[in-house]
Amino acid sequence: ELKVEQNPLFLSMQEGKNYTIYCNYSTTSDRLYWYRQDPGKSLESLFVLLSNGAVKQEGRLMASLDTKARLSTLHITAAVHDLSATYFCAVDMDTNAGKSTFGDGTTLTVKP
Amino acid sequence: NAGVTQTPKFQVLKTGQSMTLQCAQDMNHNSMYWYRQDPGMGLRLIYYSASEGTTDKGEVPNGYNVSRLNKREFSLRLESAAPSQTSVYFCASRWRFGNFGELFFGEGSRLTVL
Repeated sequence: ELKVEQNPLFLSMQEGKNYTIYCNYSTTSDRLYWYRQDPGKSLESLFVLLSNGAVKQEGRLMASLDTKARLSTLHITAAVHDLSATYFCAVDMDTNAGKSTFGDGTTLTVKP
Repeated sequence: NAGVTQTPKFQVLKTGQSMTLQCAQDMNHNSMYWYRQDPGMGLRLIYYSASEGTTDKGEVPNGYNVSRLNKREFSLRLESAAPSQTSVYFCASRWRFGNFGELFFGEGSRLTVL
């Protein structure tokens, strides 16, 4: 059974600071996704990481994937209030591609 | 473009009542999914449909049934609602089962069972 663990689950940051969210998963996979959810809203895709060493950046967010360590990171640079949201990582199992297993989410609050 | 549309957005049921959540997508996606989200937890897969004409159980299928009506529509039915089914339900789709594409989500349906 694939398990996906995120940490921290809650993160309070000052504007302008940097931080990293970690996503560990338990079985082999080379497809990992990051989603964002605003309170009371749906989820929207941020990044799709499809191979070992993949790195993608969008604005102040950068995601990377290390399939050998079964680890993905979401790095936040110089946080701003607009980044306050819950961030989920999700992993597809190799043998059941198409079924994404989600982590419990990291709720980020950026304070002025 | 509407994307993924779910109805209803809110529903209150009494224990034992039945209801159907409707989902439709206009992106010509082959695969569709139903997830539930409970407070402080990630999304858990209830049922999925890899392609038109097929459905399979996910992680938490008990108490639910699904119908893939056609390529666009995938409904979720609660036959006899229980308080444990109080949750937010998300329908999602992706281009092709096994494709390396992200999920596209509907706005969610907030269900309360009293």
